[in-house]
Amino acid sequence: KAGVTQTPRYLIKTRGQQVTLSCSPISGHRSVSWYQQTPGQGLQFLFEYFSETQRNKGNFPGRFSGRQFSNSRSEMNVSTLELGDSALYLCASSLGDRANTGELFFGEGSRLTVL
Amino acid sequence: DQQVKQNSPSLSVQEGRISILNCDYTNSMFDYFLWYKKYPAEGPTFLISISSIKDKNEDGRFTVFLNKSAKHLSLHIVPSQPGDSAVYFCAASHLADSNYQLIWGAGTKLIIKP
Repeated sequence: KAGVTQTPRYLIKTRGQQVTLSCSPISGHRSVSWYQQTPGQGLQFLFEYFSETQRNKGNFPGRFSGRQFSNSRSEMNVSTLELGDSALYLCASSLGDRANTGELFFGEGSRLTVL
Repeated sequence: DQQVKQNSPSLSVQEGRISILNCDYTNSMFDYFLWYKKYPAEGPTFLISISSIKDKNEDGRFTVFLNKSAKHLSLHIVPSQPGDSAVYFCAASHLADSNYQLIWGAGTKLIIKP
């Protein structure tokens, strides 16, 4: 069974640009969550999608947005990039009936560097 | 305001000995706790969980202890092996709220010395 796939794995952008990251969940999983990981900060929750609807949202500015498609694939977008957006962005999928039961399956992440 | 705290950024343990990773939380509504392990260049993987109705859960070499009165949980790894070297994240949730998201600690890097 294929795992969670994130693309691209690495990317470099400059301030002011925008970026789109993609996540393909495990087949059959309907929930996709996005997290930002920075050193010393753990995993900060961005948002969660279930059946194409945003079910929950973390405390990030509106520059961070996402969507989910009918095949459960998800994208997140960050506009007007800032230096502080440099981070590892992790996508996690789960069967998803409930957002909080915790057994999430993570992808390897997309490492974003903003110069 | 960090609701889940892992106060040790790193921990070094001799191979074969016990590794104890600690996690404190502040929100008394949390009723479900998890540990994840993360290797470099990989996503975190689920390790073990515990519900607040229990004070201990064991899975092979891994045991999680929960002390609700102290709002503290710990992960014990016995015996520690080189492959256990990784970053360990503690996470907490409130199961009664189906939309409640996991709250994560900052992680503890465990180094197993041969």
